[in-house]
Amino acid sequence: GAGVSQTPSNKVTEKGKYVELRCDPISGHTALYWYRQSLGQGPEFLIYFQGTGAADDSGLPNDRFFAVRPEGSVSTLKIQRTERGDSAVYLCASSPRVGSYNEQFFGPGTRLTVL
Amino acid sequence: AQSVTQLDSQVPVFEEAPVELRCNYSSSVSVYLFWYVQYPNQGLQLLLKYLSGSTLVESINGFEAEFNKSQTSFHLRKPSVHISDTAEYFCAVSEVQGAQKLVFGQGTRLTINP
Repeated sequence: GAGVSQTPSNKVTEKGKYVELRCDPISGHTALYWYRQSLGQGPEFLIYFQGTGAADDSGLPNDRFFAVRPEGSVSTLKIQRTERGDSAVYLCASSPRVGSYNEQFFGPGTRLTVL
Repeated sequence: AQSVTQLDSQVPVFEEAPVELRCNYSSSVSVYLFWYVQYPNQGLQLLLKYLSGSTLVESINGFEAEFNKSQTSFHLRKPSVHISDTAEYFCAVSEVQGAQKLVFGQGTRLTINP
């Protein structure tokens, strides 16, 4: 079946602009995670959704970052007033959350470049 | 909170040589342990995981990792590497309870030389 998809694959924007990054999880997966991977670093957790609600947003760096998942499937990560430091690969992962352990399946990521 | 330290940012080895990628973690609660692999121009893939039980876990392509609770380590090993193992390897942990969000190390770039 289809894996996690993310669009766009690449996004170039100018400092101060608003961007939206989209994640389509695996069908039926109730849990969805966003991570950010800066150059030369491992991915860092941003936010976790269980269904439609953000169950843990402790990783969002500041109030310029916001994410939604209105119907419990597709999620959008929104970044306002982008800064050069926001440049990174943004990864989305989904998992079924049906037992004590639930593997996270990652999408290919969106590479965001802020000029 | 958890943290993960990968002691080597880059590891060059010759083909068919053994390799060990080191990983240490810190956590005040029980955790699951993982190794993820990122091949060039591809997404993150789960390589192997430790959830409970036997401390030695294996992948389908010959890698193994051993959970050492006293040393808080989860080193990844392979007795004989191939060119196709060239990739970035990430060690990660997650809490057993709750969101199970992953905490990653900084990654180790494994380069295989012919």
